[in-house]
Amino acid sequence: SQQGEEDPQALSIQEGENATMNCSYKTSINNLQWYRQNSGRGLVHLILIRSNEREKHSGRLRVTLDTSKKSSSLLITASRAADTASYFCATFPNNDMRFGAGTRLTVKP
Amino acid sequence: DTEVTQTPKHLVMGMTNKKSLKCEQHMGHRAMYWYKQKAKKPPELMFVYSYEKLSINESVPSRFSPECPNSSLLNLHLHALQPEDSALYLCASSQIAGSNQPQHFGDGTRLSIL
Repeated sequence: SQQGEEDPQALSIQEGENATMNCSYKTSINNLQWYRQNSGRGLVHLILIRSNEREKHSGRLRVTLDTSKKSSSLLITASRAADTASYFCATFPNNDMRFGAGTRLTVKP
Repeated sequence: DTEVTQTPKHLVMGMTNKKSLKCEQHMGHRAMYWYKQKAKKPPELMFVYSYEKLSINESVPSRFSPECPNSSLLNLHLHALQPEDSALYLCASSQIAGSNQPQHFGDGTRLSIL
């Protein structure tokens, strides 16, 4: 079963624009992870943010975490066509990974 | 290229067939996972192996039978599947089981049940 929800479910932007995806979860966490899945491929780990961190950066990715609101956001800056993919947040409510519903991002060249 | 290799990439089988999905990693990881993913849905955890022992079984029907012959290999034996079992089956691994461990995924086996 899913741990949380993500919004938007789908996002379409132009190349060069920023993309923001949000994730909400239900239980307390030690950390939260974000993954990317290109069509027909497996998931790729992007970034892990710990519960005592509020923001983390990796290249063009910026992740924030608000444990009081049980939510996280993933910002992709200066998007590229190659960023077109589904993005999932993941938590571990019972020592096993649960994914959010995911956001399908389309970046138009 | 992924570091977790899954075979076959595609599999079509009848409901009475027996087949196996295979997964292999050579990263020295001691935790391995099976997930099931339906179209436009997130992956759902099926099984977790930690140090070659089954540690989590998410109430998966017995027609799915996992096996971990050694620390590098993970199999999923299939028997008497139903049409609703058609999905993408993903294998993943991590250094050890735990919430602070990124998981490395294979590209999956796309299974179709006739």
